[in-house]
Amino acid sequence: QSALTQPASVSGSPGQSITISCTGTSSDIGSYNLVSWYQQHPGKAPKVIIYEVNKRPSGISNRFSGSKSGNTASLTISGLQAEDEADYYCCSYAGGSSVVFGGGTQLTVL
Amino acid sequence: QLQLQESGPGLVKPSETLSLTCTVSGGSISSNSYYWGWIRQPPGKGLEWIGNAYYTGSTYYNPSLKSRVTISVDTSKNQFSLKVSSVTAADTAVYYCASRAVAGTYFHHWGQGTLVTVSS
Repeated sequence: QSALTQPASVSGSPGQSITISCTGTSSDIGSYNLVSWYQQHPGKAPKVIIYEVNKRPSGISNRFSGSKSGNTASLTISGLQAEDEADYYCCSYAGGSSVVFGGGTQLTVL
Repeated sequence: QLQLQESGPGLVKPSETLSLTCTVSGGSISSNSYYWGWIRQPPGKGLEWIGNAYYTGSTYYNPSLKSRVTISVDTSKNQFSLKVSSVTAADTAVYYCASRAVAGTYFHHWGQGTLVTVSS
């Protein structure tokens, strides 16, 4: 069970869109539509922003969207805002009631 | 709205057992909608799933930690617990408890996290 692969960092200017990729295998992302994404600000607990690949919990801005193709999931943030600067983690079901996280991506809003 | 709160020692000696408790409020730990899980985050690093328990007592662990980890549920106290045995400095981390939705298998509600340092 290896960690999912995310870019270490991404950046964008206010108002722009960015996409964070999350690459797994046919045993996790490729087999299940059970990918979730979490936003974590410094010193805070993670917060779910996307679940089941592309669903948003109540209260999460529609600027956040998710997708999946094959073994890779993606998180897109449109209309970047300063408050979006945070770490982002993907997570996938991996069978046998287990889950695996990505290594995390630091988003910088320029 | 579920609320979770971790509690336990912030300092554990090497080779000893780390023990944490998560108290659930605003809902019942006997709900069939959630697993009850632990996730940890070493300083400056990413998230690592430790394991989950269901209110029935069924447990599921990260294979890399399975030999050292025990998660248990106490329905009478609306709490669940984590034990990690034979700890080393590599177990130093912020430990989070969280509810994991059975449908959708995502971590919905999180505790604030508690830092556990392994040091003599």
